[in-house]
Amino acid sequence: QKEVEQNSGPLSVPEGAIASLNCTYSDRVSQSFFWYRQYSGKSPELIMSIYSNGDKEDGRFTAQLNKASQYVSLLIRDSQPSDSATYLCAVIRRGGGTYKYIFGTGTRLKVLA
Amino acid sequence: DVKVTQSSRYLVKRTGEKVFLECVQDMDHENMFWYRQDPGLGLRLIYFSYDVKMKEKGDIPEGYSVSREKKERFSLILESASTNQTSMYLCASSSGGSTYNEQFFGPGTRLTVL
Repeated sequence: QKEVEQNSGPLSVPEGAIASLNCTYSDRVSQSFFWYRQYSGKSPELIMSIYSNGDKEDGRFTAQLNKASQYVSLLIRDSQPSDSATYLCAVIRRGGGTYKYIFGTGTRLKVLA
Repeated sequence: DVKVTQSSRYLVKRTGEKVFLECVQDMDHENMFWYRQDPGLGLRLIYFSYDVKMKEKGDIPEGYSVSREKKERFSLILESASTNQTSMYLCASSSGGSTYNEQFFGPGTRLTVL
């Protein structure tokens, strides 16, 4: 089992719809969670971070964290063609006094005009 | 804004050459990281550093070395480039020392080894 799992997609949604991206993680001691957007040929760009259970909203983006169920999700409202990209979920896991970033392999989102 | 820069966007080298990839960040971050990214494999950590002159192996350090002589600069060295090191190389930095915060990435270097 991978430590951070994402459906590779592609996830196709029509323009204006809500895109829902999901990520599950295996280690309960994970404590910080991030969403990155990566356009083809470009580097990852941080779009959201979330540290506690519940929802966090930033413009059209909402991150949701459920530590009991070990999942984190990203909702994109009013999806635009410019949102078409790969979305990476990242988790910081603490263990044995050290920290480690774990990245998922990403979900490719296609927003259809 | 955090700025992480990498010395080259594209690089073509021959098998056996020694290759230097440079990364500089301007936000006084303690932590710096080198990843490679390949289709279907995601981001794989090569080396990281949480302080000047400190380095730690990541998940795939074989064939690579690093140098951090100054806080803002973290170099990745391919001692003898091989074709299986053709990849996108990404540098990242974060604040927080031993308590990691979010990472910020440079633009990446696409390395081709012929």
